Amino acid sequence: GAVVSQHPSRVICKSGTSVKIECRSLDFQATTMFWYRQFPKQSLMLMATSNEGSKATYEQGVEKDKFLINHASLTLSTLTVTSAHPEDSSFYICSARAGAGRTDTQYFGPGTRLTVL
Amino acid sequence: AQSVTQPDIHITVSEGASLELRCNYSYGATPYLFWYVQSPGQGLQLLLKYFSGDTLVQGIKGFEAEFKRSQSSFNLRKPSVHWSDAAEYFCAVAPYSGNTPLVFGKGTRLSVIA
Repeated sequence: GAVVSQHPSRVICKSGTSVKIECRSLDFQATTMFWYRQFPKQSLMLMATSNEGSKATYEQGVEKDKFLINHASLTLSTLTVTSAHPEDSSFYICSARAGAGRTDTQYFGPGTRLTVL
Repeated sequence: AQSVTQPDIHITVSEGASLELRCNYSYGATPYLFWYVQSPGQGLQLLLKYFSGDTLVQGIKGFEAEFKRSQSSFNLRKPSVHWSDAAEYFCAVAPYSGNTPLVFGKGTRLSVIA
């Protein structure tokens, strides 16, 4: 299957700092990328959907000024957690899809563990 | 609205025993169904998918799933479980609109004992 990478895999930062997480589709062009947040022993919670070259669509309850998403190219999307606080500590997973059809598979990155001290 | 139910939060099986993870969906049209596996601290890996055709779908790592329209189910099976299969398993359905993400179930955690 297709490969999606995330960087960094793990980050620890101080409260108040900003953290950028990169998501790359390595062997296909992703017209759509999704960002999820996962709490321990829970399912994935969709944060936002981003399409290349346009503004991301955020799910209800997700602060778009806090979680900045940029989908600058067909192979790269970034999530920036601004002014991070301990409650932002979580596992963040991105997913990429080549097309917009229902049969287009979503491929997932390995996740980024964010710890805010 | 479409939804996915995984009735079992946690299942424990002995190594070598057979496995069946349940998944029920609610969907008005022909469902496109997926099973993903997540190992601890990792992203999700696609095990198999069903779009149409043969209702018994073969996937990676020896897994298979059977689509039963009459029961609105897409249960995942493996005849002999290995200790490395211990992970979280998610069932998902593709939505009506192509540009929206998969709808996931809450997941089933599989533990494997010796």
